[in-house]
Amino acid sequence: GAVVSQHPSRVICKSGTSVKIECRSLDFQATTMFWYRQFPKQSLMLMATSNEGSKATYEQGVEKDKFLINHASLTLSTLTVTSAHPEDSSFYICCGTDQETQYFGPGTRLLVL
Amino acid sequence: TQLLEQSPQFLSIQEGENLTVYCNSSSVFSSLQWYRQEPGEGPVLLVTVVTGGEVKKLKRLTFQFGDARKDSSLHITAAQPGDTGLYLCGDYGGATNKLIFGTGTLLAVQP
Repeated sequence: GAVVSQHPSRVICKSGTSVKIECRSLDFQATTMFWYRQFPKQSLMLMATSNEGSKATYEQGVEKDKFLINHASLTLSTLTVTSAHPEDSSFYICCGTDQETQYFGPGTRLLVL
Repeated sequence: TQLLEQSPQFLSIQEGENLTVYCNSSSVFSSLQWYRQEPGEGPVLLVTVVTGGEVKKLKRLTFQFGDARKDSSLHITAAQPGDTGLYLCGDYGGATNKLIFGTGTLLAVQP
């Protein structure tokens, strides 16, 4: 089946630094990429939806200048958490879709000290 | 904004028991999906249902979709420790072309 990879799987950073998370679709073209954030024992909260080659659409309450999303190709999307703070510590998951099926990445655990 | 409410929020049962998880939407589903997620991993799709009144079975799991396409249930028969995880209902597509999730049900099956 189709596979989505995320890198890094875990990252620890200092407060105020920026962190980039990569999401790659390995054997399909992800025309749309969803980015989610998940806190412990809670559901996935949609942060933004991005279509290849266009600007991401952010959900209400998600700061677009803080969470920069780039979807420059059909196989790569990135999420950059800028000026990270401890409250940004979370599990970030991407999901690529070819409009028929959705494929989730394994997630990235971010800890901001 | 569509809201997907799941109940119960937490469920702890003994191996061999049956259970039912519910999902209610504030608006009609475009394409209802059920997922299971284990800690530290991405969700895994269990089933997709689109037709109101539809019932689908996946081994010990039975999924029902309400006639009005605004509610769904997931029934697990003879639960096993391997069923432990976070169960999520989701809605994909429609005018918004998004995949959003319900509030989740955290299931623990004790051996």
